[in-house]
Amino acid sequence: KAGVTQTPRYLIKTRGQQVTLSCSPISGHRSVSWYQQTPGQGLQFLFEYFSETQRNKGNFPGRFSGRQFSNSRSEMNVSTLELGDSALYLCASRVGNSPLHFGNGTRLTVT
Amino acid sequence: GENVEQHPSTLSVQEGDSAVIKCTYSDSASNYFPWYKQELGKRPQLIIDIRSNVGEKKDQRIAVTLNKTAKHFSLHITETQPEDSAVYFCAASIGFQKLVFGTGTRLLVSP
Repeated sequence: KAGVTQTPRYLIKTRGQQVTLSCSPISGHRSVSWYQQTPGQGLQFLFEYFSETQRNKGNFPGRFSGRQFSNSRSEMNVSTLELGDSALYLCASRVGNSPLHFGNGTRLTVT
Repeated sequence: GENVEQHPSTLSVQEGDSAVIKCTYSDSASNYFPWYKQELGKRPQLIIDIRSNVGEKKDQRIAVTLNKTAKHFSLHITETQPEDSAVYFCAASIGFQKLVFGTGTRLLVSP
């Protein structure tokens, strides 16, 4: 069974631009979560989607948004990029009350 | 909200020694406590988890203990091997949603 797939693996953007990251969960997993990983702040929860609805949200500004499609694939968007948004963005999926399975992440660099 | 503290931040042991990583959490409602291992440049991978109705769980060389009264849980790795070298993260959540992670422990196992 294929794992969680995130695209692209690497992105370089300029301040002020916007970016969209994509995540395909493990087949059969309907819950998708996003986390931001930075050396200073560690792993921080962004949001969780289930059946196309946002079920939980972390403490991030409104520039960070997401959505989930009917096939459970999810996208995360960051608008008006700031230097501090440089991070590894991890997507994770699960089914029912099972543990989270993470993808390899998208490394975003904002210059 | 939930806050998870993790110690130590760095741990160096000799091959064959045991390693212990400790975490404390603040929200007494938390009932799910996973541990993830992240090797350099790779995704976090679940190594073991424990739910609040259990005090201890073992899987070969890895064990986790939970003290709900004191609100702390620990990861124990016995007979460490060089391939155990990685960053280990503890986490806590209510249910299986919105994991709050500790800041990570870099474990170095020297041959």
